[in-house]
Amino acid sequence: QKEVEQDPGPLSVPEGAIVSLNCTYSNSAFQYFMWYRQYSRKGPELLMYTYSSGNKEDGRFTAQVDKSSKYISLFIRDSQPSDSATYLCAIALGGSYIPTFGRGTSLIVHP
Amino acid sequence: DTAVSQTPKYLVTQMGNDKSIKCEQNLGHDTMYWYKQDSKKFLKIMFSYNNKELIINETVPNRFSPKSPDKAHLNLHINSLELGDSAVYFCASSDTSGSSYEQYFGPGTRLTVT
Repeated sequence: QKEVEQDPGPLSVPEGAIVSLNCTYSNSAFQYFMWYRQYSRKGPELLMYTYSSGNKEDGRFTAQVDKSSKYISLFIRDSQPSDSATYLCAIALGGSYIPTFGRGTSLIVHP
Repeated sequence: DTAVSQTPKYLVTQMGNDKSIKCEQNLGHDTMYWYKQDSKKFLKIMFSYNNKELIINETVPNRFSPKSPDKAHLNLHINSLELGDSAVYFCASSDTSGSSYEQYFGPGTRLTVT
């Protein structure tokens, strides 16, 4: 079993939809949780970062962490075609600055 | 200003050649990384380096070697290139002295070995 599991998609939604992207992880020692967005032929860019259970909101994006279930989510409200990208979750152990990445979920938002 | 830059953007070369990819960051970060992203989009750490410690992913062949002339640069040198080395290589940096887990990535170098 891989340490971080993420459905590769693609996930195709209409503009304006609420998008839910998810990752599960196996190591309960993971403490830091990040979401990166990667546009085609570009480097990943950090979207959200949290280290606690619960929700963290930033504009249209909400990151949710459930440590008891070892499950993290990224919600995108009012999705736009410009949100079309691959979204990678990344999870790190406390004291290790090298995260383990999920394989990414490809999101397509069509007008 | 580009925070993390890499050159070249594209690299096409033949098996057996030796090549280098350069990376520079102007963020003042203390730690730099090299990642390999394969065709299935998996992003795998190859090296992590700061002025104190080089951490090598044990799965990385010793044909790959990082070279850091100073804190702002981490180059990747590859000897005897193989077909399986074809991938996109990303450089990244972070401020671990500030206990930050956030990594900033460069635009990537697409390596094709023929």
